[in-house]
Amino acid sequence: NAGVTQTPKFRVLKTGQSMTLLCAQDMNHEYMYWYRQDPGMGLRLIHYSVGEGTTAKGEVPDGYNVSRLKKQNFLLGLESAAPSQTSVYFCASSVGSGTQYFGPGTRLLVL
Amino acid sequence: DQQVKQNSPSLSVQEGRISILNCDYTNSMFDYFLWYKKYPAEGPTFLISISSIKDKNEDGRFTVFLNKSAKHLSLHIVPSQPGDSAVYFCAASAGGTYKYIFGTGTRLKVLA
Repeated sequence: NAGVTQTPKFRVLKTGQSMTLLCAQDMNHEYMYWYRQDPGMGLRLIHYSVGEGTTAKGEVPDGYNVSRLKKQNFLLGLESAAPSQTSVYFCASSVGSGTQYFGPGTRLLVL
Repeated sequence: DQQVKQNSPSLSVQEGRISILNCDYTNSMFDYFLWYKKYPAEGPTFLISISSIKDKNEDGRFTVFLNKSAKHLSLHIVPSQPGDSAVYFCAASAGGTYKYIFGTGTRLKVLA
């Protein structure tokens, strides 16, 4: 099992560009999450999904959109990147409200 | 408003000694707590958890203590090993929800 994988590992964007981060899990987990981690701050929940076809907002959803068309994939989109979105993004999945399993992260730099 | 606080950004401990990492929370509705360990360039990995119905949970070298009246939990690592050097996050949730609030992390360095 690969667990939770994230693509890409690193990306540089210019302000205003768009991109999609892909998260995939092979554990058949219902719940999936996107977090961002910034220096001096804990992981903050951006969006989450409790099942295929469902999404909901977390703590810091502004500037991001998500889609969960397939159970194993959770996509995070940035429509118009801003320097404030420079961060490390982590995807996670879980069975219900149990332990969350994290991917290795995507480092995004917005210039 | 930081609901979960880890007030020590860093901690250094000699190999073989005890490491104690602390976490405070403000929301009395939190009833499930997790500790994660994170190495550089990797995602957080689950370490140990505790439910509010317990005051202690042990797993090998790792023990988590929960003091509900003080809204405080701590992670004890005994004995500490150089491989334990990492950033440790505590996280809390309320009412069986899957939305965890994470602390800011404590960087542990175990000196050989």
